[in-house]
Amino acid sequence: QVQLQQSGPGLVKPSQTLSLTCAISGDSVSSTSSAWNWIRQSPSRGLEWLGRTYFESKWGSDYAVSVKSRITINPDTSKNQFSLQLNSVTPEDTAVYYCAREAQGATYYMDVWGKGTTVTVSS
Amino acid sequence: QSALTQPASVSGSPGQSITISCAGTSSDVGGWNYVSWYQQHPGKAPKLMIYDVSYRPSGVSNRFSGSKSGNTASLTISGLQAEDEADYYCSSYTSSSTVYVFGTGSKVTVL
Repeated sequence: QVQLQQSGPGLVKPSQTLSLTCAISGDSVSSTSSAWNWIRQSPSRGLEWLGRTYFESKWGSDYAVSVKSRITINPDTSKNQFSLQLNSVTPEDTAVYYCAREAQGATYYMDVWGKGTTVTVSS
Repeated sequence: QSALTQPASVSGSPGQSITISCAGTSSDVGGWNYVSWYQQHPGKAPKLMIYDVSYRPSGVSNRFSGSKSGNTASLTISGLQAEDEADYYCSSYTSSSTVYVFGTGSKVTVL
């Protein structure tokens, strides 16, 4: 059974970097059958896909246009986890952040989700 | 990338059937058979209910079914039960550089 365990601070100051980690059990971040996503949810923006990382002979990543200039998603194979970094945050980045597994292949959906981390951007 | 359009709320009595629509464009819903649906109870993470338009993951009740016509996808819940009361979101692959787009969400109320 695949499980995702999220960790990271719940409060970030404006202009600083939001950093979250998602630890994987029951699967591998290096699996060629999975991709690893970050999604956020806020009352104003609803559910918003942020980006993903995946391994297909080499590491790749895709990012939402809305955050592309500020976001990095990195795998950590030594700890079997992946991370989200979002730079130069503003109060608009306040949201519940979820990590999720995507069953890679000829399809697109997220079948396993972390429990979510509430992040507030405030001084 | 605009969100997919869903009705804000849908309601029905126990035992009835309801349908939630999800309107997109030819770049997302209409162009690919990669529509998925998620159920979210308050304070919980989304749960996959339907993938690839009409397929149910193992463990999901067969009271949930999905379909698509043109640029609009639909989720039907038959034999409505109290436990079905939740928020429901559609999602689609999109050919824009943003891989996924989500729907605006629909609150299902069991009367």
